[in-house]
Amino acid sequence: AQTVTQSQPEMSVQEAETVTLSCTYDTSESDYYLFWYKQPPSRQMILVIRQEAYKQQNATENRFSVNFQKAAKSFSLKISDSQLGDAAMYFCAYFEGGSEKLVFGKGTKLTVNP
Amino acid sequence: SQTIHQWPATLVQPVGSPLSLECTVEGTSNPNLYWYRQAAGRGLQLLFYSVGIGQISSEVPQNLSASRPQDRQFILSSKKLLLSDSGFYLCAWSEGNEKLFFGSGTQLSVL
Repeated sequence: AQTVTQSQPEMSVQEAETVTLSCTYDTSESDYYLFWYKQPPSRQMILVIRQEAYKQQNATENRFSVNFQKAAKSFSLKISDSQLGDAAMYFCAYFEGGSEKLVFGKGTKLTVNP
Repeated sequence: SQTIHQWPATLVQPVGSPLSLECTVEGTSNPNLYWYRQAAGRGLQLLFYSVGIGQISSEVPQNLSASRPQDRQFILSSKKLLLSDSGFYLCAWSEGNEKLFFGSGTQLSVL
């Protein structure tokens, strides 16, 4: 079974600084997708960024970018110019093509200090 | 546009009582439907998913069951709740691809 590991239960960053959240995954497949979701205190799941495994180029969405290392099965999220509104739980997730299932890591709680 | 409705938002139930959580999707046909549970301070655990009416896949053996009586309706049930069933339950849908859209969730407290 595919697994997703987030080794940092909690992280903190100063406002306007940069922080990187780590994620590793285990799979023998070549067709899959990786995601970072944000869950603010409202508990609504918000898609932050998405990466297709067949694309070598790292995905970027405004202040959010990923470092996708396929051989190492690593998928980290970088948040630049951190804002107070970035404070949330961040979940890494894996979707295997044709499996119908999205598998989540246990999450990293990010605190942004003013 | 597509919307997902999940209710109730909050539920407090005694141990041993039945449970029924409902999720409906509007604006799409034959969606894939999902139930996830998030225990306090934990990640999201996939409980059930469905690719069509009457088709339910269970990921974790437990005290819960799921049904899909209509194309866009997904119900999570239990005959007798346990304390360990407490958690935050999220319904989600997709069009059969990797993009899942989540409902607003139900916080279930079993006392």
